[in-house]
Amino acid sequence: AQSVTQPDIHITVSEGASLELRCNYSYGATPYLFWYVQSPGQGLQLLLKYFSGDTLVQGIKGFEAEFKRSQSSFNLRKPSVHWSDAAEYFCASGEAGNNRKLIWGLGTSLAVNP
Amino acid sequence: NAGVTQTPKFQVLKTGQSMTLQCAQDMNHEYMSWYRQDPGMGLRLIHYSVGAGITDQGEVPNGYNVSRSTTEDFPLRLLSAAPSQTSVYFCASSQTSGDNEQFFGPGTRLTVL
Repeated sequence: AQSVTQPDIHITVSEGASLELRCNYSYGATPYLFWYVQSPGQGLQLLLKYFSGDTLVQGIKGFEAEFKRSQSSFNLRKPSVHWSDAAEYFCASGEAGNNRKLIWGLGTSLAVNP
Repeated sequence: NAGVTQTPKFQVLKTGQSMTLQCAQDMNHEYMSWYRQDPGMGLRLIHYSVGAGITDQGEVPNGYNVSRSTTEDFPLRLLSAAPSQTSVYFCASSQTSGDNEQFFGPGTRLTVL
């Protein structure tokens, strides 16, 4: 079955440090890929998405992600983390043949130390 | 635009009670869906709809009903609440063509005693 894996359940970084959140997908063709962020007690907000073309995509709040077909990965990065980035981050993939349905990773919880 | 709205924000039910979680969007999106979010389990799709009059089951549909009589509204009904349905419920919507972005409501936190 198609799946999305976020290997890190919880990550803690210091404010100002760089960040990389990992996401791996299982799908033979190039899927639609998304990163969403959920602040405590809030709904989910789209950070960025990849459909095709340039494999490095820029998103909101200074985030970027790189699609690597050879590694089946779509890792999220930020060069300098702010305390307000503390949140839950979800990677998702469009389901094969029905990209309106999303296959979700279990999320990575990010804590930021001052 | 209000985006995606959900009511209520919080609800406590007793086992066996029924209720309807409301979801509405004002973006003229054809695709709408309901998820539940539980600790350590991510988001799981309950039901979805690709347009008025069309609904389908997701990953965890048991115990829930939906209908889509209008483009704007997509209510989720719990027929006989069970403690296992204690969760946070999110409604989302998106266009069926072009941009795939799903827009989420703020969620409903449901506790079943």
